[in-house]
Amino acid sequence: NAGVTQTPKFRILKIGQSMTLQCTQDMNHNYMYWYRQDPGMGLKLIYYSVGAGITDKGEVPNGYNVSRSTTEDFPLRLELAAPSQTSVYFCASSSRRTTNEKLFFGSGTQLSVL
Amino acid sequence: GQQLNQSPQSMFIQEGEDVSMNCTSSSIFNTWLWYKQDPGEGPVLLIALYKAGELTSNGRLTAQFGITRKDSFLNISASIPSDVGIYFCAGQIEGGKLIFGQGTELSVKP
Repeated sequence: NAGVTQTPKFRILKIGQSMTLQCTQDMNHNYMYWYRQDPGMGLKLIYYSVGAGITDKGEVPNGYNVSRSTTEDFPLRLELAAPSQTSVYFCASSSRRTTNEKLFFGSGTQLSVL
Repeated sequence: GQQLNQSPQSMFIQEGEDVSMNCTSSSIFNTWLWYKQDPGEGPVLLIALYKAGELTSNGRLTAQFGITRKDSFLNISASIPSDVGIYFCAGQIEGGKLIFGQGTELSVKP
């Protein structure tokens, strides 16, 4: 099993550009999450999904969109990139929300918006 | 919103020394978790704590769930170079949402 796979690993965007961060998991997990990590700030939840077709906002959803058309995939879209979105983005998955402490994280996408 | 205050922010220690770090909050949590993040990787779960007062070990790591349910600490004994990384505490609230601390960056000098 590959676990949680994120692509790309690194990306540089110009202000106003758009892009999609890809996330896929092969563990048949229902719950998937997107976090951003800023230096000295820990991880902040952007969006999450409890199953295909269901998504919900986390702590910092502004400027992002998500979709969940399949159990495996949970892409994160930035429509109009801004410098404030420079961060490291982590996708994670778990089998059940009540035991979501057993989050499996991807290796991250480092995004710079210049 | 709910916040976790994790300290210290960074530590520079000699190989073989013991390490302590902690998390505090003004809110009560149902579960406390400790993660480690290696450079360039995502966080990996080290220890999960489910009951107030619980003390749990994982090799050289020991973590405790504070009796007030508002704090937790992590100890690493006899540190080694591969302990280098960022350690995060996380608290789980009703509905399963996780709140993460700011992280403690650990450096170990051989």
